[in-house]
Amino acid sequence: EAGVVQSPRYKIIEKKQPVAFWCNPISGHNTLYWYLQNLGQGPELLIRYENEEAVDDSQLPKDRFSAERLKGVDSTLKIQPAELGDSAVYLCASSSAGADTQYFGPGTRLTVL
Amino acid sequence: RKEVEQDPGPFNVPEGATVAFNCTYSNSASQSFFWYRQDCRKEPKLLMSVYSSGNEDGRFTAQLNRASQYISLLIRDSKLSDSATYLCVVNMAASGTYKYIFGTGTRLKVLA
Repeated sequence: EAGVVQSPRYKIIEKKQPVAFWCNPISGHNTLYWYLQNLGQGPELLIRYENEEAVDDSQLPKDRFSAERLKGVDSTLKIQPAELGDSAVYLCASSSAGADTQYFGPGTRLTVL
Repeated sequence: RKEVEQDPGPFNVPEGATVAFNCTYSNSASQSFFWYRQDCRKEPKLLMSVYSSGNEDGRFTAQLNRASQYISLLIRDSKLSDSATYLCVVNMAASGTYKYIFGTGTRLKVLA
């Protein structure tokens, strides 16, 4: 079974530029999570989707971050404009309905210069 | 007080040693608990869920103490390959929904 796929794996941009991350969850998983992980910290939830619906986006900085999951499968997370403090690893995870176990993708390591 | 707290370590232990980590949580309504393992520059992976009765998987034992609001992870006969960061995760109920809160992780280094 294929795992959670994320791209790109690495991204280096200059501040004020836009950036987008893509996630393809495990087939059949209706719950999708985007997390941000800073060095030496645990993952912090940005947004959680149940199918197409964003059921928890309370931690998403909506002034510059946006996300979508139009068909309830793939998801895109966007930052516009990026700031120096956005440098981190962005992790996508998915889980099946009613299940607690989250399966993480390899993450996108973002560096903002 | 943080919602989920862990000692960041590092815990440096010799091969074969027994090591234990604790994780405290603030929300008494928390529903489920987990330990994830994260290798350097890799994604977190589920190590084990934590049940009220405690559970064991080979050299790993997890315990939940609801009264004192902490969970623990015990690793017996440590191997070099156990070197990693161990993340405590708590599923907290809030405002009719739930949220998974990760601790900062505890770094373990098993030394030859």
